[in-house]
Amino acid sequence: EAQVTQNPRYLITVTGKKLTVTCSQNMNHEYMSWYRQDPGLGLRQIYYSMNVEVTDKGDVPEGYKVSRKEKRNFPLILESPSPNQTSLYFCASSWAAGADTQYFGPGTRLTVL
Amino acid sequence: SQQGEEDPQALSIQEGENATMNCSYKTSINNLQWYRQNSGRGLVHLILIRSNEREKHSGRLRVTLDTSKKSSSLLITASRAADTASYFCATSGYSGAGSYQLTFGKGTKLSVIP
Repeated sequence: EAQVTQNPRYLITVTGKKLTVTCSQNMNHEYMSWYRQDPGLGLRQIYYSMNVEVTDKGDVPEGYKVSRKEKRNFPLILESPSPNQTSLYFCASSWAAGADTQYFGPGTRLTVL
Repeated sequence: SQQGEEDPQALSIQEGENATMNCSYKTSINNLQWYRQNSGRGLVHLILIRSNEREKHSGRLRVTLDTSKKSSSLLITASRAADTASYFCATSGYSGAGSYQLTFGKGTKLSVIP
């Protein structure tokens, strides 16, 4: 089954404790991205990757890091999480760079205390 | 940013009625997409309409695009309780260096009352 998976689905952590949210897709998509969704603000793009070893900032990259060492994986790293990063995070992938249908993961609900 | 803005923010209708949601944007686009999100879940792609298309259908969905007015509408006919969800428009525009960025609006929350 074609899908985007994210782990963990739920995470409660404390300020400053490094964490990684994994994202994996099995569709051989070149383009992957991370979004955060907050009430009243819609979805905002954090980082995206057009291919292996190619990543770029989206609209709200501060406080986040990403890497793309393999085509299927695109982890999101929070080196020192803060409460304002409490949000619902989505990973997405597609064939083309943002101009194509995006396939979304199920989401990761992160709470930073 | 060519962020789309949906209108209305919330819509409540009876089952069997039609639901219309609108999306406006500011700059030129490559395509416009509509997505659906059930509460707290991932977004699901509904339909994509390219900038040179004016209307597209998919089952009970009808999407129109007016590039002169920079607006799009999503019509759901004969709504069902299962259509209750948030609906987002997303505009795809060229962001430079061979890349297109997809920018989402804030969504319309649709409630279909049985």
